[in-house]
Amino acid sequence: DARVTQTPRHKVTEMGQEVTMRCQPILGHNTVFWYRQTMMQGLELLAYFRNRAPLDDSGMPKDRFSAEMPDATLATLKIQPSEPRDSAVYFCASGYANTEAFFGQGTRLTVV
Amino acid sequence: AQKITQTQPGMFVQEKEAVTLDCTYDTSDPSYGLFWYKQPSSGEMIFLIYQGSYDQQNATEGRYSLNFQKARKSANLVISASQLGDSAMYFCAMREVDNDMRFGAGTRLTVKP
Repeated sequence: DARVTQTPRHKVTEMGQEVTMRCQPILGHNTVFWYRQTMMQGLELLAYFRNRAPLDDSGMPKDRFSAEMPDATLATLKIQPSEPRDSAVYFCASGYANTEAFFGQGTRLTVV
Repeated sequence: AQKITQTQPGMFVQEKEAVTLDCTYDTSDPSYGLFWYKQPSSGEMIFLIYQGSYDQQNATEGRYSLNFQKARKSANLVISASQLGDSAMYFCAMREVDNDMRFGAGTRLTVKP
């Protein structure tokens, strides 16, 4: 049963610490998305990759966030330094170009 | 730029009745895809249904159907014979060709017994 795998599922960290979230897309999918979900802002697109190349990261705060795909089986989202306002659920999703995306279960991040 | 609007923050429906969740979108691209996702209280995002902009017929998947009105730029989700398990947040999304996927604000559906 193919699925997108995100780790960790939950993360509590102190303000100022680095946070790394990982995503294993479904094998063969060539597009990867990172979304952040909060009550106030809903689902915000942070980054979009196709064939491992970043195509859109305009929604990501560049000073503290970075997203990479070191290989086709791993996507990472890093926050350094983390702030309380970064507390949210972070979703990774993968798919083929121009079709539906399948979501991971999300990482619930709490920055205290 | 893509824009997706869901004007109903919350909806109620009686069990076994049908309900329509509204979605309008804005794009200048002639080729795009429209999607609906369900997010139950457990938090997972579940893909429900897809409609391509060139599809002649409305998409259907079991009890879900998409009422696609291209000229009006609307893509409403119809759930027939509502069940208690349909209570969840529902998100409409759009994806232009070779572009990313953007979501609306969502509609919280509550099915009453």
